[in-house]
Amino acid sequence: AQTVTQSQPEMSVQEAETVTLSCTYDTSESNYYLFWYKQPPSRQMILVIRQEAYKQQNATENRFSVNFQKAAKSFSLKISDSQLGDTAMYFCAFISNFGNEKLTFGTGTRLTIIP
Amino acid sequence: KAGVTQTPRYLIKTRGQQVTLSCSPISGHRSVSWYQQTPGQGLQFLFEYFSETQRNKGNFPGRFSGRQFSNSRSEMNVSTLELGDSALYLCASSLGGPISTDTQYFGPGTRLTVL
Repeated sequence: AQTVTQSQPEMSVQEAETVTLSCTYDTSESNYYLFWYKQPPSRQMILVIRQEAYKQQNATENRFSVNFQKAAKSFSLKISDSQLGDTAMYFCAFISNFGNEKLTFGTGTRLTIIP
Repeated sequence: KAGVTQTPRYLIKTRGQQVTLSCSPISGHRSVSWYQQTPGQGLQFLFEYFSETQRNKGNFPGRFSGRQFSNSRSEMNVSTLELGDSALYLCASSLGGPISTDTQYFGPGTRLTVL
């Protein structure tokens, strides 16, 4: 069974600074996808970024980028120039590439951006 | 394109009652997944429907059931409600397919409170 671990329950950072959220996962599969989702206080889960395991290049989306280390099974999220709107719960999630639509989530990191 | 919609947004029920939640996926999406989110257990996969068939199921008792209609809209039903069923129920849709790990897009959720 796949597991996803987020070891930082809470983090805070000053506005405009850079912050990195950690995620590790465990799987025996070689082909899979990893995601970071953001859940603001409004509760709507929003996709932040997606990474295919077969791609060596790290995914980026504007201020958001990942550091994907397949051998180490690590998938961290870096937020640059953090903004107040980045305040949210961040969930790391895993899905395998076998027609299985089941996302396995980590326990989340509560990120607070301080003005 | 309209996002995933869920109705109702809030529900209050008493123990022993049953409840039906509805989810309308993004137009063109054929897969609908359901998740339960609680402070104690985090995000847990309930089930996934594709082309009106349940394709995957999580580890929940038989009181939790669902279905999908020909227009891809989905409903989930919880019978004989228990206090522990109080949670945010999230629906997610994706394009789906025989072998698919498309990105899942989430609705705003239905907050169920069982008294």
